[in-house]
Amino acid sequence: RKEVEQDPGPFNVPEGATVAFNCTYSNSASQSFFWYRQDCRKEPKLLMSVYSSGNEDGRFTAQLNRASQYISLLIRDSKLSDSATYLCVVNIVMNTGFQKLVFGTGTRLLVSP
Amino acid sequence: GAVVSQHPSWVICKSGTSVKIECRSLDFQATTMFWYRQFPKQSLMLMATSNEGSKATYEQGVEKDKFLINHASLTLSTLTVTSAHPEDSSFYICSARTGQGAYYGYTFGSGTRLTVV
Repeated sequence: RKEVEQDPGPFNVPEGATVAFNCTYSNSASQSFFWYRQDCRKEPKLLMSVYSSGNEDGRFTAQLNRASQYISLLIRDSKLSDSATYLCVVNIVMNTGFQKLVFGTGTRLLVSP
Repeated sequence: GAVVSQHPSWVICKSGTSVKIECRSLDFQATTMFWYRQFPKQSLMLMATSNEGSKATYEQGVEKDKFLINHASLTLSTLTVTSAHPEDSSFYICSARTGQGAYYGYTFGSGTRLTVV
Protein backbone atom coordinates (compact mmCIF):
# COMPACT_ATOMS: atom_id res chain seq x y z
CA ARG A 1 0.00 0.00 0.00
CA LYS A 2 1.30 3.45 -0.88
CA GLU A 3 2.06 5.75 2.02
CA VAL A 4 0.02 8.55 0.48
CA GLU A 5 -2.80 7.74 -1.93
CA GLN A 6 -4.68 10.05 -4.24
CA ASP A 7 -7.07 9.61 -7.14
CA PRO A 8 -4.91 10.54 -10.16
CA GLY A 9 -7.86 11.98 -12.06
CA PRO A 10 -8.03 13.89 -14.28
CA PHE A 11 -10.93 15.87 -12.94
CA ASN A 12 -12.48 17.83 -15.81
CA VAL A 13 -14.67 20.67 -14.54
CA PRO A 14 -16.12 23.86 -16.03
CA GLU A 15 -15.16 27.28 -14.79
CA GLY A 16 -17.02 28.20 -11.65
CA ALA A 17 -17.46 24.63 -10.48
CA THR A 18 -16.61 23.34 -7.04
CA VAL A 19 -14.26 20.37 -6.94
CA ALA A 20 -12.98 18.24 -4.07
CA PHE A 21 -9.86 16.11 -3.83
CA ASN A 22 -9.26 13.40 -1.28
CA CYS A 23 -6.13 11.84 0.07
CA THR A 24 -5.40 9.06 2.53
CA TYR A 25 -2.17 8.32 4.33
CA SER A 26 -1.06 5.14 6.03
CA ASN A 27 1.72 6.17 8.41
CA SER A 28 0.40 7.09 11.83
CA ALA A 29 3.70 8.90 12.53
CA SER A 30 2.60 11.55 10.07
CA GLN A 31 2.65 14.90 11.81
CA SER A 32 2.18 17.63 9.27
CA PHE A 33 0.15 17.79 6.13
CA PHE A 34 0.24 19.97 3.06
CA TRP A 35 -1.31 20.49 -0.32
CA TYR A 36 1.11 21.47 -3.05
CA ARG A 37 0.36 22.51 -6.58
CA GLN A 38 2.55 21.39 -9.46
CA ASP A 39 2.29 22.77 -12.96
CA CYS A 40 3.58 20.75 -15.89
CA ARG A 41 7.37 20.45 -15.85
CA LYS A 42 7.65 22.78 -12.86
CA GLU A 43 8.54 22.39 -9.22
CA PRO A 44 5.81 21.90 -6.59
CA LYS A 45 4.62 25.04 -4.85
CA LEU A 46 2.95 25.13 -1.46
CA LEU A 47 -0.75 25.78 -1.72
CA MET A 48 -1.60 25.45 1.93
CA SER A 49 -0.84 23.59 5.12
CA VAL A 50 -3.57 21.44 6.57
CA TYR A 51 -4.58 21.70 10.21
CA SER A 52 -6.82 19.51 12.32
CA SER A 53 -9.23 22.38 12.77
CA GLY A 54 -9.48 22.85 9.04
CA ASN A 55 -8.33 25.96 7.28
CA GLU A 56 -9.46 28.17 4.48
CA ASP A 57 -7.56 30.43 2.13
CA GLY A 58 -9.81 32.27 -0.27
CA ARG A 59 -11.43 29.71 -2.56
CA PHE A 60 -9.45 26.85 -1.07
CA THR A 61 -10.45 24.86 2.01
CA ALA A 62 -8.39 22.03 3.48
CA GLN A 63 -9.46 19.57 6.12
CA LEU A 64 -7.74 16.83 8.07
CA ASN A 65 -9.27 13.84 9.82
CA ARG A 66 -6.55 12.19 11.87
CA ALA A 67 -8.76 9.34 13.05
CA SER A 68 -9.50 8.31 9.47
CA GLN A 69 -6.09 9.41 8.20
CA TYR A 70 -7.80 11.42 5.52
CA ILE A 71 -7.09 14.84 4.02
CA SER A 72 -9.24 16.84 1.64
CA LEU A 73 -8.98 19.94 -0.51
CA LEU A 74 -12.00 21.85 -1.75
CA ILE A 75 -11.73 24.41 -4.52
CA ARG A 76 -14.69 26.71 -5.04
CA ASP A 77 -15.45 28.83 -8.11
CA SER A 78 -12.77 27.12 -10.20
CA LYS A 79 -10.67 29.29 -12.49
CA LEU A 80 -8.85 28.29 -15.66
CA SER A 81 -5.61 29.03 -13.82
CA ASP A 82 -6.43 26.35 -11.25
CA SER A 83 -5.59 23.69 -13.86
CA ALA A 84 -2.63 21.82 -12.41
CA THR A 85 -1.73 18.71 -10.47
CA TYR A 86 -2.48 18.85 -6.75
CA LEU A 87 -0.12 16.92 -4.54
CA CYS A 88 -1.06 15.63 -1.13
CA VAL A 89 2.07 15.72 1.03
CA VAL A 90 2.70 14.28 4.45
CA ASN A 91 5.61 15.02 6.79
CA ILE A 92 6.68 11.89 8.62
CA VAL A 93 8.82 11.90 11.75
CA MET A 94 10.86 8.74 12.15
CA ASN A 95 11.92 7.16 15.45
CA THR A 96 15.33 8.76 14.98
CA GLY A 97 13.75 12.19 14.84
CA PHE A 98 14.55 12.43 11.16
CA GLN A 99 11.76 14.00 9.13
CA LYS A 100 10.86 13.53 5.52
CA LEU A 101 8.13 14.51 3.13
CA VAL A 102 6.16 11.81 1.36
CA PHE A 103 4.28 12.82 -1.76
CA GLY A 104 1.15 11.41 -3.30
CA THR A 105 1.16 10.92 -7.05
CA GLY A 106 -1.09 13.93 -7.43
CA THR A 107 -4.56 14.61 -8.74
CA ARG A 108 -4.78 16.35 -12.07
CA LEU A 109 -7.37 19.11 -12.46
CA LEU A 110 -8.45 20.50 -15.81
CA VAL A 111 -10.73 23.54 -15.73
CA SER A 112 -12.38 24.35 -19.03
CA PRO A 113 -14.11 27.55 -20.23
CA GLY B 1 10.16 34.63 1.28
CA ALA B 2 12.74 31.87 1.22
CA VAL B 3 14.18 31.17 -2.21
CA VAL B 4 16.00 28.08 -3.38
CA SER B 5 17.91 28.41 -6.62
CA GLN B 6 18.65 25.27 -8.62
CA HIS B 7 20.91 25.02 -11.66
CA PRO B 8 20.94 24.00 -14.38
CA SER B 9 17.28 23.98 -15.37
CA TRP B 10 17.90 21.35 -17.96
CA VAL B 11 20.85 19.36 -19.20
CA ILE B 12 21.46 16.84 -21.94
CA CYS B 13 24.48 14.61 -21.54
CA LYS B 14 26.00 11.59 -23.15
CA SER B 15 25.76 8.20 -21.51
CA GLY B 16 28.72 7.56 -19.24
CA THR B 17 29.38 11.18 -18.35
CA SER B 18 28.73 12.88 -15.02
CA VAL B 19 26.40 15.77 -14.34
CA LYS B 20 26.43 18.13 -11.35
CA ILE B 21 23.31 19.88 -10.14
CA GLU B 22 23.54 22.79 -7.70
CA CYS B 23 21.01 23.88 -5.14
CA ARG B 24 21.46 27.16 -3.26
CA SER B 25 19.46 28.80 -0.53
CA LEU B 26 19.58 32.48 -1.43
CA ASP B 27 18.33 34.30 1.63
CA PHE B 28 18.54 31.79 4.43
CA GLN B 29 20.80 29.09 5.77
CA ALA B 30 19.77 25.53 5.11
CA THR B 31 21.39 22.94 7.34
CA THR B 32 19.31 20.28 5.64
CA MET B 33 18.38 19.94 2.01
CA PHE B 34 16.48 17.19 0.29
CA TRP B 35 16.95 15.72 -3.17
CA TYR B 36 14.02 14.24 -5.05
CA ARG B 37 13.52 12.55 -8.38
CA GLN B 38 10.31 12.53 -10.37
CA PHE B 39 9.64 10.30 -13.35
CA PRO B 40 6.79 11.18 -15.75
CA LYS B 41 3.34 10.80 -14.21
CA GLN B 42 4.83 9.66 -10.92
CA SER B 43 5.20 11.29 -7.54
CA LEU B 44 8.33 12.93 -6.21
CA MET B 45 10.50 10.31 -4.58
CA LEU B 46 13.00 11.29 -1.92
CA MET B 47 16.49 10.19 -2.92
CA ALA B 48 18.55 11.52 -0.06
CA THR B 49 18.78 14.04 2.72
CA SER B 50 21.77 16.31 2.59
CA ASN B 51 23.19 17.57 5.88
CA GLU B 52 25.70 20.40 6.03
CA GLY B 53 29.10 19.16 7.10
CA SER B 54 28.20 15.49 7.27
CA LYS B 55 27.39 12.56 5.04
CA ALA B 56 24.09 12.46 3.25
CA THR B 57 21.41 9.97 4.24
CA TYR B 58 20.22 7.95 1.27
CA GLU B 59 16.83 6.31 0.86
CA GLN B 60 16.64 2.60 0.33
CA GLY B 61 17.43 1.63 -3.24
CA VAL B 62 19.37 4.80 -4.08
CA GLU B 63 23.02 4.15 -4.89
CA LYS B 64 25.19 6.55 -2.94
CA ASP B 65 28.19 5.93 -5.17
CA LYS B 66 26.18 6.88 -8.21
CA PHE B 67 24.40 9.92 -6.76
CA LEU B 68 27.08 11.87 -4.94
CA ILE B 69 25.83 14.55 -2.60
CA ASN B 70 27.97 17.30 -1.13
CA HIS B 71 26.70 19.89 1.33
CA ALA B 72 29.82 21.85 2.11
CA SER B 73 28.19 25.08 3.23
CA LEU B 74 24.94 26.26 4.76
CA THR B 75 23.78 27.62 1.43
CA LEU B 76 24.90 25.06 -1.13
CA SER B 77 24.21 21.41 -1.78
CA THR B 78 25.21 19.58 -4.94
CA LEU B 79 24.06 16.33 -6.51
CA THR B 80 26.37 14.67 -9.00
CA VAL B 81 24.97 11.90 -11.18
CA THR B 82 28.00 9.83 -12.04
CA SER B 83 28.30 7.67 -15.13
CA ALA B 84 24.81 8.66 -16.21
CA HIS B 85 22.68 6.25 -18.20
CA PRO B 86 19.43 6.81 -20.10
CA GLU B 87 17.42 5.35 -17.20
CA ASP B 88 18.73 8.22 -15.04
CA SER B 89 16.82 10.67 -17.23
CA SER B 90 14.38 12.33 -14.89
CA PHE B 91 13.35 15.55 -13.18
CA TYR B 92 15.57 16.21 -10.16
CA ILE B 93 14.37 18.69 -7.55
CA CYS B 94 16.00 19.95 -4.39
CA SER B 95 14.23 21.33 -1.36
CA ALA B 96 15.18 23.06 1.86
CA ARG B 97 13.29 23.27 5.08
CA THR B 98 12.56 26.81 6.19
CA GLY B 99 11.27 28.26 9.43
CA GLN B 100 11.52 26.89 12.93
CA GLY B 101 9.56 25.07 15.57
CA ALA B 102 5.93 24.57 14.72
CA TYR B 103 6.06 27.05 11.88
CA TYR B 104 8.02 25.60 9.04
CA GLY B 105 7.71 24.77 5.42
CA TYR B 106 9.66 23.39 2.55
CA THR B 107 10.83 25.46 -0.38
CA PHE B 108 11.68 23.79 -3.64
CA GLY B 109 14.18 24.61 -6.32
CA SER B 110 12.89 24.96 -9.86
CA GLY B 111 14.14 21.51 -10.78
CA THR B 112 16.61 20.11 -13.28
CA ARG B 113 15.43 18.07 -16.22
CA LEU B 114 18.17 15.59 -17.06
CA THR B 115 18.20 13.77 -20.37
CA VAL B 116 20.87 11.15 -20.95
CA VAL B 117 21.37 10.15 -24.56
